[in-house]
Amino acid sequence: QQPVQSPQAVILREGEDAVINCSSSKALYSVHWYRQKHGEAPVFLMILLKGGEQKGHDKISASFNEKKQQSSLYLTASQLSYSGTYFCGTEIASGGSNYKLTFGKGTLLTVNP
Amino acid sequence: KAGVTQTPRYLIKTRGQQVTLSCSPISGHRSVSWYQQTPGQGLQFLFEYFSETQRNKGNFPGRFSGRQFSNSRSEMNVSTLELGDSALYLCASSFEIAKNIQYFGAGTRLSVL
Repeated sequence: QQPVQSPQAVILREGEDAVINCSSSKALYSVHWYRQKHGEAPVFLMILLKGGEQKGHDKISASFNEKKQQSSLYLTASQLSYSGTYFCGTEIASGGSNYKLTFGKGTLLTVNP
Repeated sequence: KAGVTQTPRYLIKTRGQQVTLSCSPISGHRSVSWYQQTPGQGLQFLFEYFSETQRNKGNFPGRFSGRQFSNSRSEMNVSTLELGDSALYLCASSFEIAKNIQYFGAGTRLSVL
């Protein structure tokens, strides 16, 4: 089942912060975050495993609340280069050693000067 | 290491025709997944192959099929094309079964007239 992302779109000025949320109705094994710039392929940002960990990548960090099956992506002091569509991917164990990754519809982030 | 390679980059077909898209994964990656991307729908999962076996399948009609060869290269076939099949088709490869980090190719842009 497809995870739900919110907001669908957000517009920021350079230096502002943003939060993108991702929620699932299924018990999750992991949450992935990807960024896709216009006309380019999606690029992996980070993965969070169940356990409530928080990871960071430069000024972009994320958290994973295993009990609520929710993840949030935090973009701090945004830069123009952060513009793009952000996708969360939720991975569930679907039997045996099989895992299935499903992506949300994406959040379009625009950072203006 | 070379990245994921998809060919061709662009295709124009007419309704009723069939099309085959090709994907060469990163060397050493045994899992290949295919996605359809259309505006506003995010990354819709088509299917995943691992060691020549289809491991997961999305909710697409039987006109969409795929296969994987012993060298991990994969092909996707769409028969009896419809206008609604116009989309960017992305292939991604990964190394692990779980924590399935996706490395995307640049995609094949299919236009059905």
